[in-house]
Amino acid sequence: DAKTTQPPSMDCAEGRAANLPCNHSTISGNEYVYWYRQIHSQGPQYIIHGLKNNETNEMASLIITEDRKSSTLILPHATLRDTAVYYCIVRFRDNYGQNFVFGPGTRLSVLP
Amino acid sequence: DAGVTQSPTHLIKTRGQQVTLRCSPKSGHDTVSWYQQALGQGPQFIFQYYEEEERQRGNFPDRFSGHQFPNYSSELNVNALLLGDSALYLCASSPRTGGGYTFGSGTRLTVV
Repeated sequence: DAKTTQPPSMDCAEGRAANLPCNHSTISGNEYVYWYRQIHSQGPQYIIHGLKNNETNEMASLIITEDRKSSTLILPHATLRDTAVYYCIVRFRDNYGQNFVFGPGTRLSVLP
Repeated sequence: DAGVTQSPTHLIKTRGQQVTLRCSPKSGHDTVSWYQQALGQGPQFIFQYYEEEERQRGNFPDRFSGHQFPNYSSELNVNALLLGDSALYLCASSPRTGGGYTFGSGTRLTVV
């Protein structure tokens, strides 16, 4: 079972920031938070990941709470092309005996 | 640098038949995982291969089998196809030492 919970759907106006929450209250100390997104009928696309500190890349920012029990993915200026299902996943960084467990994710709709 | 390549992109099979799906991992990746994604759901883990052996398996019957070759490419075989096997089959590769997965675009299998 997925170790994360996310809202099933969210809307965001084009050009505004999209803030996608994720709860992972049972995360262990060495588990990372990963975010992927899946645009209709394509393979999931890596967005960002983090352990403790906030992270930023060219696609998004990841804010992890101090207790690490939740996080927020921020798309600073959402476009119509950001409409997708967003998955939050927690797992250890190495691959030993681990795999990515996907939940149902959050369906983000960016509206014009 | 090519990412993960899957073939074929689409496939139609009849109930009871057998199918083989193929995956070439991203350059530098030696671990391959397979996922099944039914319409409207998140990807479900089937199994993971590295060093040419199945290392971890999800909750799938033994009609689902796989293989990894010395060049790290992989095959997914499904025997005695059922209508319920209709889905998008995703291959993901990663370095054995850890990090995120890179997903292919998937093979859309339709069983009629």
